[in-house]
Amino acid sequence: AQSVAQPEDQVNVAEGNPLTVKCTYSVSGNPYLFWYVQYPNRGLQFLLKYITGDNLVKGSYGFEAEFNKSQTSFHLKKPSALVSDSALYFCAVREFKAYSGAGSYQLTFGKGTKLSVIP
Amino acid sequence: NAGVTQTPKFRVLKTGQSMTLLCAQDMNHEYMYWYRQDPGMGLRLIHYSVGEGTTAKGEVPDGYNVSRLKKQNFLLGLESAAPSQTSVYFCASSPSRGGLSDEQFFGPGTRLTVL
Repeated sequence: AQSVAQPEDQVNVAEGNPLTVKCTYSVSGNPYLFWYVQYPNRGLQFLLKYITGDNLVKGSYGFEAEFNKSQTSFHLKKPSALVSDSALYFCAVREFKAYSGAGSYQLTFGKGTKLSVIP
Repeated sequence: NAGVTQTPKFRVLKTGQSMTLLCAQDMNHEYMYWYRQDPGMGLRLIHYSVGEGTTAKGEVPDGYNVSRLKKQNFLLGLESAAPSQTSVYFCASSPSRGGLSDEQFFGPGTRLTVL
């Protein structure tokens, strides 16, 4: 079974400071990992994903995430936060079995982390 | 491209009433999904479809039915609404070219209240 945890319900950071939103996952095979952002009263927007290869993934709006297999983590980061980054962030995982090509169509989401960037 | 659209945007139902939520996508995507979002619970998959004429159950399918008669449309039905189905419903779609590695594109959501 696949699962994902976002240990922080809320993260507060001052504008201009670096930000980190944490995510850990659990899968029985290989993980496909995703970050999405949700602004108030809107649908989710894709930020970035890890499929394979380089552990540091760069995405939209200056965000990046680092895949750490030993710690089963995929933390979202940004060097300098903007007030406009304030939103709800979701980590998601889907497992994939490389040896068979099979995997889960279901994308499992974390509960979300509310990011507030303070001017 | 309009992307993924959902109708209606808001709806209030009484317990026992039925309704259908419509999702449409103009990106020629093979896969489509219905999720519900509840406070503090993230998004949970209700049903999904990997192609026209096919549907499958997700994590929380009870009380819902779906149909995918056309590739671009994915309908979510509530036959007898219950207060526990008060939620925000999101539709999403994804292409099949990358298989399971493709990201999903989300609609703006439908806010449903069941009294």
